[in-house]
Amino acid sequence: DIQMTQSPSSLSASLGDRVTITCRTSQAISHYLNWYQQKPGKAPKLLISGASSLQSGVPSRFSGSGAGTVFTLTISGLQPDDCATYYCQQSYTVPCTFGLGTKLQIK
Amino acid sequence: EVQLEESGGGLVQPGGSLRLSCAASGFIFSNYWMHWVRQAPGKGLVWISRISSDGSTTDYADSVKGRLSISRDNARNTLYLQIHSLKGEDTAVYYCARADVLRFLEWTLDVWGQGTTVTVSS
Repeated sequence: DIQMTQSPSSLSASLGDRVTITCRTSQAISHYLNWYQQKPGKAPKLLISGASSLQSGVPSRFSGSGAGTVFTLTISGLQPDDCATYYCQQSYTVPCTFGLGTKLQIK
Repeated sequence: EVQLEESGGGLVQPGGSLRLSCAASGFIFSNYWMHWVRQAPGKGLVWISRISSDGSTTDYADSVKGRLSISRDNARNTLYLQIHSLKGEDTAVYYCARADVLRFLEWTLDVWGQGTTVTVSS
């Protein structure tokens, strides 16, 4: 199975900050990496597909990059609505594993 | 509106069985692969199973293989998950999700249900 290592597991940042979350995979997966946002008590929401493609309706302050084994999700200009847990997920092979999540809090 | 709605969760005794359902609406259900993902209380997302659009191909996580059975009824636009020999570690919110295949190997879980809660306890 492909192991997904997300870092940090949690972080606290101020409104307007630039935040970066990293996802590392145990083997190369090309660009087959998605990012999801989950708020408490809610279902996950797809943010980014194929490592860097922003989904329709997702604010442009979200961006993704990376390929191979290292990927990043960046939020440029943190907003109150961004308080959530973020997960990476690989679609390269079954089982389609998720990272353990990064809980983002606003200072 | 594209929607998925899970049902069938509840309190079950260890060793028991349960069948979860996921009713789809607003899209052509038979065109999509479907997945189940679960989330234990306070924990992260864990993928557990998927089924092809025609039901001919199924995959399971090793942690649940042999105890879970995924199926679908395309005439009823409904996805199912049968869970046998329930254990405490099966306690979780169970989500069904639609897979949007963009290209080979490039797919996402683009539509999710609200989840149904399964609690395994005596």
